Amino acid sequence: ILNVEQSPQSLHVQEGDSTNFTCSFPSSNFYALHWYRWETAKSPEALFVMTLNGDEKKKGRISATLNTKEGYSYLYIKGSQPEDSATYLCAFPTSYDKVIFGPGTSLSVIP
Amino acid sequence: DVKVTQSSRYLVKRTGEKVFLECVQDMDHENMFWYRQDPGLGLRLIYFSYDVKMKEKGDIPEGYSVSREKKERFSLILESASTNQTSMYLCASSFGTGTEAFFGQGTRLTVV
Repeated sequence: ILNVEQSPQSLHVQEGDSTNFTCSFPSSNFYALHWYRWETAKSPEALFVMTLNGDEKKKGRISATLNTKEGYSYLYIKGSQPEDSATYLCAFPTSYDKVIFGPGTSLSVIP
Repeated sequence: DVKVTQSSRYLVKRTGEKVFLECVQDMDHENMFWYRQDPGLGLRLIYFSYDVKMKEKGDIPEGYSVSREKKERFSLILESASTNQTSMYLCASSFGTGTEAFFGQGTRLTVV
């Protein structure tokens, strides 16, 4: 079974703090790396699809970087807001279209 | 907007019942997936399908089967429901390898 790991498992930050979390994935047979945000009572929604080593993506206060050679991606949130509270999942598509998810990082932003 | 629709939000079934969870997507996606989500374990892949009538086992297929007779519909079947299959089940679809997945709203299944 391919392993996709995320750290930390959970995080509590104050409103306005910046934060980051890590996704580790197998560095061989790389197709893409996805980040999803999963808010309570909603479906997971894609934040970023990253495909190239050195990729940096940004959406508002959230950004992500990718290192395919060493098998990790960072997600950064600048100036966290309560609405950023969610579980952040990374996902690793493999050959044969199988998509493996990490266990997620649960972020709580305290007002 | 892409829509992935699961037939039920909540289900309660008895041990030993045969249970069908239905998922329909409206974007002509090739790939469809069934995951279950349990506290502390994240999303675990049960089965996926990359084409009509094609299916592949995921990481935890035991006790489940699937059916994909039409491109837009992917059904998850619990042959004989057991209490350890109480979970949140999520269906997803994607266009192809490496592309983002779109998720349904989830079905919370309780087996009593």
